[in-house]
Amino acid sequence: DVKVTQSSRYLVKRTGEKVFLECVQDMDHENMFWYRQDPGLGLRLIYFSYDVKMKEKGDIPEGYSVSREKKERFSLILESASTNQTSMYLCASSLRQAHQYFGPGTRLTVL
Amino acid sequence: GQNIDQPTEMTATEGAIVQINCTYQTSGFNGLFWYQQHAGEAPTFLSYNVLDGLEEKGRFSSFLSRSKGYSYLLLKELQMKDSASYLCAGKSSAAGNKLTFGGGTRVLVKP
Repeated sequence: DVKVTQSSRYLVKRTGEKVFLECVQDMDHENMFWYRQDPGLGLRLIYFSYDVKMKEKGDIPEGYSVSREKKERFSLILESASTNQTSMYLCASSLRQAHQYFGPGTRLTVL
Repeated sequence: GQNIDQPTEMTATEGAIVQINCTYQTSGFNGLFWYQQHAGEAPTFLSYNVLDGLEEKGRFSSFLSRSKGYSYLLLKELQMKDSASYLCAGKSSAAGNKLTFGGGTRVLVKP
């Protein structure tokens, strides 16, 4: 079974803090993705990566950065958290042309 | 650009059939996915269509018409556990094969 894990289920941070969200997959997938999910807006792609040290901007990259130093790990970084970044963050991974497997999500609240 | 539309909410009775429609406008269309997401959980893969026609998997079927930019997910013999959101997502070779998600259709199954 493919397993995608995320470092926290719930996270509360203060405005201006630097936030790290970690995602790990155990199936040697090339592709990894970070989404945020908000009511009425669906899943929106923030960043994705096709390989180690490679990253591509998604639809809403502003205010976020990512890091992929190892194939199994993809980190999302909020350099200076803001209240409009309060959301559910979902990580996913896939083989090159296959469907995506999602992690359980991190519900981030920025106060 | 990519645009995916699906209804926001549907209600059906246990044992009945529900059809969730999805229309898309995707340049370089390269397949359509359906995911199921229970409240507070991660999306899980249901089906993938890249050619025209119907794909059947037990109680769930998915249909695609590329010429009409249209897909539907058919849920038969509805069970209470089918109450969930159903996400339609289009894949585009013009967009690096990343997925664009619709807003999701929340299906409520009543006894």
